Amino acid sequence: KAGVTQTPRYLIKTRGQQVTLSCSPISGHRSVSWYQQTPGQGLQFLFEYFSETQRNKGNFPGRFSGRQFSNSRSEMNVSTLELGDSALYLCASGTGGSGNTIYFGEGSWLTVV
Amino acid sequence: DQQVKQNSPSLSVQEGRISILNCDYTNSMFDYFLWYKKYPAEGPTFLISISSIKDKNEDGRFTVFLNKSAKHLSLHIVPSQPGDSAVYFCAASISGTYKYIFGTGTRLKVLA
Repeated sequence: KAGVTQTPRYLIKTRGQQVTLSCSPISGHRSVSWYQQTPGQGLQFLFEYFSETQRNKGNFPGRFSGRQFSNSRSEMNVSTLELGDSALYLCASGTGGSGNTIYFGEGSWLTVV
Repeated sequence: DQQVKQNSPSLSVQEGRISILNCDYTNSMFDYFLWYKKYPAEGPTFLISISSIKDKNEDGRFTVFLNKSAKHLSLHIVPSQPGDSAVYFCAASISGTYKYIFGTGTRLKVLA
């Protein structure tokens, strides 16, 4: 079956702009989580959604937000972009239970100039 | 506060030999662990998982060992193949939090 699909794969934005990234989970998966990867920082948890409800969020400023739709697809938005927001943004999906394995998409590469 | 640590940034191994990747954690509440490998410009690929109720899990060439008293887990790859060259991440989670804490990764190079 199809894996996790993220769009767009690459994008360049200017400081102060906002960006929306999209994620379609594996069919049947109801949990979607988002991670940010920057050089030397590993993967940092942004937030997790299940059945349109945010169940947990990481230590990121309020400029980072997300939502999940009834079909489990998810979007994340970053407003007032800063140079430091340049990163690989990864979406992962899972069945949503505790201790469940999550499967990642290819990621969206965001460059802020 | 780095709760999950991979202290070896890189590792080189000869083809056919065993690769051992290590991961240490500080939070004894972690009860589920995952290993991923990542190629450049791709998303992480799931390899193997282990629950805290087990101390070993095998899947083909991959075996994960968990030592809860030492707060340490390791991934063994036997035999190592050139295609295994990638960055490997360990991740840990606490049931009910729905988030994973990742280590900073170990770059494995398998030499032909």
